[in-house]
Amino acid sequence: AQSVAQPEDQVKVAEGNPLTVKCTYSVSGNPYLFWYVQYPNRGLQFLLKYITGDNLVKGSYGFEAEFNKSQTSFHLKKPSALVSDSALYFCAVRSPDSNYQLIWGAGTKLIIKP
Amino acid sequence: DVKVTQSSRYLVKRTGEKVFLECVQDMDHENMFWYRQDPGLGLRLIYFSYDVKMKEKGDIPEGYSVSREKKERFSLILESASTNQTSMYLCASSEIGGKTPYEQYFGPGTRLTVT
Repeated sequence: AQSVAQPEDQVKVAEGNPLTVKCTYSVSGNPYLFWYVQYPNRGLQFLLKYITGDNLVKGSYGFEAEFNKSQTSFHLKKPSALVSDSALYFCAVRSPDSNYQLIWGAGTKLIIKP
Repeated sequence: DVKVTQSSRYLVKRTGEKVFLECVQDMDHENMFWYRQDPGLGLRLIYFSYDVKMKEKGDIPEGYSVSREKKERFSLILESASTNQTSMYLCASSEIGGKTPYEQYFGPGTRLTVT
């Protein structure tokens, strides 16, 4: 079955330290992968995506993600965390069975400690 | 910038009421989606629409219906609200092809409480 896993419900990082939010996927064919962020009481905002090309993708707010085909992973990273990065992060992959749908991970709450 | 608006940020309804949630997008997107978001469960797709008057069931359509009479507007209807439909409801839109295929743009959400 097609799926996306975010193995950590919560990640805590000290401000200024690097952060990683993990995502692994299981889909057939070539994946289109996405990261979204949700601030409290807000809708989701697009951060970045991988369609093809360079495995390292850069996105908004200094975030980047690395596509690793052999490990079927698409981890979100940032070299130096800010308190304002505290939010809920969702990974998603295009469903190969549909031209429209994304398959979503359960989300990871990122907490940046001052 | 794409703008997706939802008719209410917060809504409180009584059990058995018929509830309408409205969503409007201004980027001429073909696809529109309704999700519900619950803690620990992520986003679950209720219904989506890929064209006017076209709709397809998502993962959890029971207790919901939708309407898309105009391209920019997608309505979610709770025929008879129940307490287990208390949730955050998110609307999204996306284009077919173009510069941002599959990328979904979200509204701010409606937090619905059914008492």
